[in-house]
Amino acid sequence: AQSVAQPEDQVNVAEGNPLTVKCTYSVSGNPYLFWYVQYPNRGLQFLLKYITGDNLVKGSYGFEAEFNKSQTSFHLKKPSALVSDSALYFCAVRPYYNNAGNMLTFGGGTRLMVKP
Amino acid sequence: AAGVIQSPRHLIKEKRETATLKCYPIPRHDTVYWYQQGPGQDPQFLISFYEKMQSDKGSIPDRFSAQQFSDYHSELNMSSLELGDSALYFCASSSEQGAKGYTFGSGTRLTVV
Repeated sequence: AQSVAQPEDQVNVAEGNPLTVKCTYSVSGNPYLFWYVQYPNRGLQFLLKYITGDNLVKGSYGFEAEFNKSQTSFHLKKPSALVSDSALYFCAVRPYYNNAGNMLTFGGGTRLMVKP
Repeated sequence: AAGVIQSPRHLIKEKRETATLKCYPIPRHDTVYWYQQGPGQDPQFLISFYEKMQSDKGSIPDRFSAQQFSDYHSELNMSSLELGDSALYFCASSSEQGAKGYTFGSGTRLTVV
């Protein structure tokens, strides 16, 4: 079965500084990887995904993530954080081959706090 | 662009009552997924439907059932509600069984009192 780990419950960063939200995964075979953001009392908004191809994926709102197969990681990054980036971030995975189901499995979430 | 529509947005029920949540997927998406997100928790997969047939089953209680109709909308039926069922319930839809990504609705917040 697939799993996702987000080792940090919370990440604090000053506005204008770079940010990283960590994600590692476990899945049989190749993964599909996703990042979603959730604002308070709101739904999950898609940020970016890795399916195949270039390991560096660029997404919405200036976010990017790098797929690292050897480290089974898919860390979310942004060069310059904004206060409005403060939210809950979820990493999610599903296996490339869907014999184990094609639903997403989510990590526990990381709360990003960007201070002015 | 059309999104995934869920109704109602908020629902308050008493213990032991029943609730029905509805989800309207993006047109031409072939798969619908239901997730439950408890307070401070990550979304937990409940059940999914591919082309109106149940495709995967997760941690859905026996008190819950779901189906997908001919127009591809899906309903999650919850009976004998318990306080612990209070959560945000998300529906998502995808095409090609998720190979191109998943779109989530805004969720239904169910409060059981």
